Amino acid sequence: DVKVTQSSRYLVKRTGEKVFLECVQDMDHENMFWYRQDPGLGLRLIYFSYDVKMKEKGDIPEGYSVSREKKERFSLILESASTNQTSMYLCASNPTGRQSYEQYFGPGTRLTVT
Amino acid sequence: AQTVTQSQPEMSVQEAETVTLSCTYDTSENNYYLFWYKQPPSRQMILVIRQEAYKQQNATENRFSVNFQKAAKSFSLKISDSQLGDTAMYFCASVPQAAGNKLTFGGGTRVLVKP
Repeated sequence: DVKVTQSSRYLVKRTGEKVFLECVQDMDHENMFWYRQDPGLGLRLIYFSYDVKMKEKGDIPEGYSVSREKKERFSLILESASTNQTSMYLCASNPTGRQSYEQYFGPGTRLTVT
Repeated sequence: AQTVTQSQPEMSVQEAETVTLSCTYDTSENNYYLFWYKQPPSRQMILVIRQEAYKQQNATENRFSVNFQKAAKSFSLKISDSQLGDTAMYFCASVPQAAGNKLTFGGGTRVLVKP
């Protein structure tokens, strides 16, 4: 079974702090994704990566950056956390070449910025 | 750009009954995939069912089936014989083949199965 893990289930940070959210997958997937989930808005793509050190902006990249130094790990960085970044953050992964595009999700990190 | 709309924020159903969740989407692509994902309370999101747009036959997975109407751009999910474990958020999503991996999600429908 594919396993995608996220470093924290719940996180509370203060405005202006630098925040790191970590995601690790154990299935050697090339592609990894970061979404934020807000009520009524569903999931919105922040960034994704299709290879080590490669990244592409999603629909809402402002205020976020990412890092992918190893294939299995994809980090989301909030350079200076703000209250409007309070949300649930989901990581996902999938392999290149499988045409179904199904993504496998982690359990999520609920981030509160105060 | 693609859009996916789920018009029902919440639904409730009695155990053993049937519930249908609606989803409409907008795309200019001819080849795409559609998904229903389930997110149980405090648990990971998992794929429920997948439909390839070029296939006319509606996908089924045990108690879950879809009604795919390509011309109407509609992709509803039917849950038959509802069970307490079906209580979850359900998300409809689409991805055109041309867009690679970029899924577009609807806003979600919260389903509560009552005993």
